[in-house]
Order: sequence, then structure tokens, then C-alpha cells
Amino acid sequence: KNQVEQSPQSLIILEGKNCTLQCNYTVSPFSNLRWYKQDTGRGPVSLTIMTFSENTKSNGRYTATLDADTKQSSLHITASQLSDSASYICVVSLYNNNDMRFGAGTRLTVKP
Amino acid sequence: IAGITQAPTSQILAAGRRMTLRCTQDMRHNAMYWYRQDLGLGLRLIHYSNTAGTTGKGEVPDGYSVSRANTDDFPLTLASAVPSQTSVYFCASSEQGAGDTQYFGPGTRLTVL
Repeated sequence: KNQVEQSPQSLIILEGKNCTLQCNYTVSPFSNLRWYKQDTGRGPVSLTIMTFSENTKSNGRYTATLDADTKQSSLHITASQLSDSASYICVVSLYNNNDMRFGAGTRLTVKP
Repeated sequence: IAGITQAPTSQILAAGRRMTLRCTQDMRHNAMYWYRQDLGLGLRLIHYSNTAGTTGKGEVPDGYSVSRANTDDFPLTLASAVPSQTSVYFCASSEQGAGDTQYFGPGTRLTVL
């Protein structure tokens, strides 16, 4: 059973619109949570990282939030661009620093 | 700066053959990882190495072996490939452990027939 669940599986939006991707996790003990962007045919690239004490982190048009109590995170993309079309992966690290759980990702398509 | 490279880019392999996927990083990172990524599933950790000379098993280690003779290289070997090992394989590195940001290679697409 995957301990990191992402929703939706896929999403299509128009260029310029905003969107929010969700990540729910059950893993513990929790160390940090990351969001990665993976373009088709490429390796994932880190967007944000948050520890349990942080509840928001921004990287340009990307804003991640974290609620460690409810074990939920979201990634908000503002004013989407065609280049935002990619898979977005939520990754939760456990406290022993060698164990991580990856979500299956949300496939985002931005259309003109 | 190359970052992290993988070879080959893709490979078609007959079942039962031995195959080594290569991974090299030039960032002097201590930790390195091998993942496989299958459609509809998240990345799954195969093996990792926290520092040169040490390795550990991840979530799906069976059928795979690794070695870490030096800081830069972390090859992944399939001793006798099976069709279920058809996947995209990603190598990654981080300064220290998995709590640090990982930098991924471009991936190797492996097909076992």
C-alpha cells in the first residue's frame, strides 16, 4: 500500500489558470516533505522542501503548504504556463534519513 | 558541470542476460540511490549508498546488486534479467542522506524480453 497518495491522478488546465495538487501521507516518523517536478523523459527536479515545523514554502509561481497534523500537503501553481506541463511528485522522508516514500504523481497538462 | 549521468540511455535485453547500468556524479555527493519508475507507481528505491564503501537495500532490492568503490560511481547490476525488471531506472545523489535534496540523472529505459 502506497503511504503517499496524490490527487488528482491527472489534470488539464488552460494557460494562465491556477491549480492545486494534493498529497496525503500516512508515513511516520516524518522528517520532511518535498515536491518534485518531472518533465517527460527526464529525472525529477526538486521544487520545495518543508520540515514538520514549516507550513508554507514558495518557489516562484509554486507554493507548497504542509499541515503536519492532518498529514496533508498541497502544491499551488499560479498563472500556469505551458512549461508547467509535467508530473508533480510528492516525497515524504522518514526520520531515519534513508527511507522515503514517493507518491505516484499528478500529471498536469497546460493547454494554450 | 555534468551533475549526474547515466548510461545507457536505453537498452533492450534478452531475459537471463546480465546487465549493468552505470551512474556517475561529479558533485562529490556522499549518498547515491537507484530507483525504478513504473507506470502508475511512484519511484521505488532499489539500493542506496550513504558513502563510498557502503551500500544498503531499499524497498525492492531483489534481483539487483550495487557496489560503491568510490564517491563518483554507483553501478546497478541485474545478474539475470527478467521481464518484470522492464522499467525506467533513475540514479540520484544527495550531499548526505535521503533527508537532503536529491539530484536525479536522466534515466535509463530498460526493456527485458
